[in-house]
Amino acid sequence: RKEVEQDPGPFNVPEGATVAFNCTYSNSASQSFFWYRQDCRKEPKLLMSVYSSGNEDGRFTAQLNRASQYISLLIRDSKLSDSATYLCVPWGGNNRLAFGKGNQVVVIP
Amino acid sequence: GAGVSQSPSNKVTEKGKDVELRCDPISGHTALYWYRQSLGQGLEFLIYFQGNSAPDKSGLPSDRFSAERTGGSVSTLTIQRTQQEDSAVYLCASSLVGGGGGGETQYFGPGTRLLVL
Repeated sequence: RKEVEQDPGPFNVPEGATVAFNCTYSNSASQSFFWYRQDCRKEPKLLMSVYSSGNEDGRFTAQLNRASQYISLLIRDSKLSDSATYLCVPWGGNNRLAFGKGNQVVVIP
Repeated sequence: GAGVSQSPSNKVTEKGKDVELRCDPISGHTALYWYRQSLGQGLEFLIYFQGNSAPDKSGLPSDRFSAERTGGSVSTLTIQRTQQEDSAVYLCASSLVGGGGGGETQYFGPGTRLLVL
């Protein structure tokens, strides 16, 4: 099983709609989780950190399910500028972060 | 303040040549990471430096790859005898401390796009 699995999509979302996607991870020792956003041909940038059951920041909500080993990201009231790839990154207590391939979101006018 | 910078931004080389990629981390960040991202793929961990500790080289794909970090700041990733499969974006990231605790935010540079012909 891969360390991090994400459905690459693309997730085509009408502007103003809500979109949600999951990320499953294999390392049950993962303690912290990060969602990074990566625009086309750009570097990843941190969107949100999750240390407990979830986190909310404006239109973005992350929820963690440790029992089932997945973390979700929900985007409400999607904007055209939300179009990007969202990378799920669990941290397992060692030196490295395990990056998934990402969920590509395309917000359609 | 200044973020992570990398140079060159783009590099085209011929198969068999050596290349050097440079990373300047954020001032004061003691942890530095190198990743590789091939087209349509996720980030692949290459190597990690933390202060004066021995680097974690476990992600380097072959002995053609090496990296050093001088004076705890600037890092250079060297690829010897480049192959076409080395073509990718090489990303550098830094964080304040690294390892331990609850994980830390990594700040990425813009990357170096390497094309091996």
